[in-house]
Amino acid sequence: QVTLKESGPALVKPTQTLTLTCNFSGFSLSTTGMRVSWIRQPPGKALEWLARIDWDDDKFYITSLKTRLTISKDTPKNQVVLTMTNMDPADTATYYCARTWANWAFDYWGQGTLVTVSS
Amino acid sequence: SSVMTQPPSLSVAPGQTARITCGGDNIGRKSVHWYQQKPGQAPVLVVYDDSVRPSGIPERFSGSTSGNTATLAISRVEAGDEADYYCQLWGTSSYHPGVFGTGTKVTVL
Repeated sequence: QVTLKESGPALVKPTQTLTLTCNFSGFSLSTTGMRVSWIRQPPGKALEWLARIDWDDDKFYITSLKTRLTISKDTPKNQVVLTMTNMDPADTATYYCARTWANWAFDYWGQGTLVTVSS
Repeated sequence: SSVMTQPPSLSVAPGQTARITCGGDNIGRKSVHWYQQKPGQAPVLVVYDDSVRPSGIPERFSGSTSGNTATLAISRVEAGDEADYYCQLWGTSSYHPGVFGTGTKVTVL
């Protein structure tokens, strides 16, 4: 059974760095073709893909936020971590992690974690 | 960067067919995936690779592409189909950006 779950602070102050962790089970990021992405959704707005890390440690980022994002993985711990620097109120959103595998679609999602940026 | 445009909203009577479109330059060159998102819930994959239904998704959901437009059709619409729907693909640049459509709110009358 594949599951993913996001964790991190619910509230961060402007200019702080956000660190989110995706803990997953039921698959391994050492499996060829396995990938985990981070996606966010501001309240009442559309989904926005942020970053992806692949089984071979390739990493990809949305161009507009590339300088602020870092994605990493701890394969033995079944974790993917996203850091976002210099947080702004516009970064207030629900952050999801999601898996892609053979068909490149996001076939499993975490429940999401709401992050509010406010002083 | 890729832009995937969807109609903001769509209203449909129960039993009718809802057709949600997604327009973008890369459609036709890349596989399109569709997600259903109900309020307060994570998205759920309903169609992948343009037209394939994952296990457990009703046959009422179908996908197609033509030219630069992808379409998700929901036949015999039910009250439980009321949700936001998003298309998605992976871009063609070397950075492989993921791109979501702007989303469509489907209301069942």
